[in-house]
Amino acid sequence: QKEVEQNSGPLSVPEGAIASLNCTYSDRVSQSFFWYRQYSGKSPELIMSIYSNGDKEDGRFTAQLNKASQYVSLLIRDSQPSDSATYLCAVKRLTGGGNKLTFGTGTQLKVEL
Amino acid sequence: KAGVTQTPRYLIKTRGQQVTLSCSPISGHRSVSWYQQTPGQGLQFLFEYFSETQRNKGNFPGRFSGRQFSNSRSEMNVSTLELGDSALYLCASSLEIAGELFFGEGSRLTVL
Repeated sequence: QKEVEQNSGPLSVPEGAIASLNCTYSDRVSQSFFWYRQYSGKSPELIMSIYSNGDKEDGRFTAQLNKASQYVSLLIRDSQPSDSATYLCAVKRLTGGGNKLTFGTGTQLKVEL
Repeated sequence: KAGVTQTPRYLIKTRGQQVTLSCSPISGHRSVSWYQQTPGQGLQFLFEYFSETQRNKGNFPGRFSGRQFSNSRSEMNVSTLELGDSALYLCASSLEIAGELFFGEGSRLTVL
């Protein structure tokens, strides 16, 4: 079982729709969770971090965390073609891991006109 | 505020050679991490340095090494290059407490 799992996609949504990206993790010691966006040929860019159960909103983005289910998701409202990218989920342990992040393999999102 | 700077951006080497990659973190960031990204394996953690000390190491052979200088700048070295070392090498810096990693643009290594 991979430590962090994501559906590779591609996930296709029409412009203006809500895109829902999901991630599960296996290590219950994981305490910090991050979403990165990576455009083709570019480096990962931090979108959001979430540390507590519940929702965290930032503009069109909402991260949701459920530690009991070991599940974290990212919702993108009013999806735009510029949101087309690969979205990486990453987790960090509470102790013993320093700042080491474990990444999923990413979900490719395509926003269609 | 300047971001994470990596040099060189692109390089081509042949098998058996060695390579050194450089990373300058965001000003004030003392933690520097290195990751390898390949299409098949995704982002894999190499190592993390904080205050010139290696704090964490991933599951890579000893051919991969790194160091951090007193100004927080970091270098990584790969010796005896293999074809499978072709990858995008990403450096990321972070504040000690926050744990949010900010990536540089990467060094794309091609081994022929």
